[in-house]
Amino acid sequence: NAGVTQTPKFQVLKTGQSMTLQCAQDMNHEYMSWYRQDPGMGLRLIHYSVGAGITDQGEVPNGYNVSRSTTEDFPLRLLSAAPSQTSVYFCASSRYRGAGANVLTFGAGSRLTVL
Amino acid sequence: KQEVTQIPAALSVPEGENLVLNCSFTDSAIYNLQWFRQDPGKGLTSLLLIQSSQREQTSGRLNASLDKSSGRSTLYIAASQPGDSATYLCADSDSWGKLQFGAGTQVVVTP
Repeated sequence: NAGVTQTPKFQVLKTGQSMTLQCAQDMNHEYMSWYRQDPGMGLRLIHYSVGAGITDQGEVPNGYNVSRSTTEDFPLRLLSAAPSQTSVYFCASSRYRGAGANVLTFGAGSRLTVL
Repeated sequence: KQEVTQIPAALSVPEGENLVLNCSFTDSAIYNLQWFRQDPGKGLTSLLLIQSSQREQTSGRLNASLDKSSGRSTLYIAASQPGDSATYLCADSDSWGKLQFGAGTQVVVTP
């Protein structure tokens, strides 16, 4: 089925470790983004991209890196994990222009715990 | 900075009653406003998107209105069913597609 695929679904890290959350979409969407969801705070934008080779920061970018080498993939890297990064991470994509623009399709989420 | 607020944080209604969910935003210069549904442990599903030039959107039992002058959007769900139990989130978008989310309203529809 077409959609947004996130891996892994669950991950436990120790403080200081690094890891990459993977996100792939097969809908040829230009726009891809990463959000984190914390209890009582809704979703907050970490980084986003409007096309291959183009990325920009969102509301809470510190401690995270992204790159967009292909239209399909948008990995999120945690450089040195901290307990404050314990959260549920969602990747989302959409068309950027034309019919259906800005209607986001979300992945199922990746639950990260940092000890 | 845009702030999006959803009140109440939770509500419970008996089956068959109409649901009214509120969303308020501080900056009326929005590009569009979206409503999402989130089931426990799952991602978000887009329900309705209202462009800034529109006043409302409808899909089946769902109707969303937008009043930019008062900074409010309302999601109506007619004749609620237990399957409507979920968390509903609203989000406004700028022209770059960046969304600012409210914290959501958790809805329980009791049989």
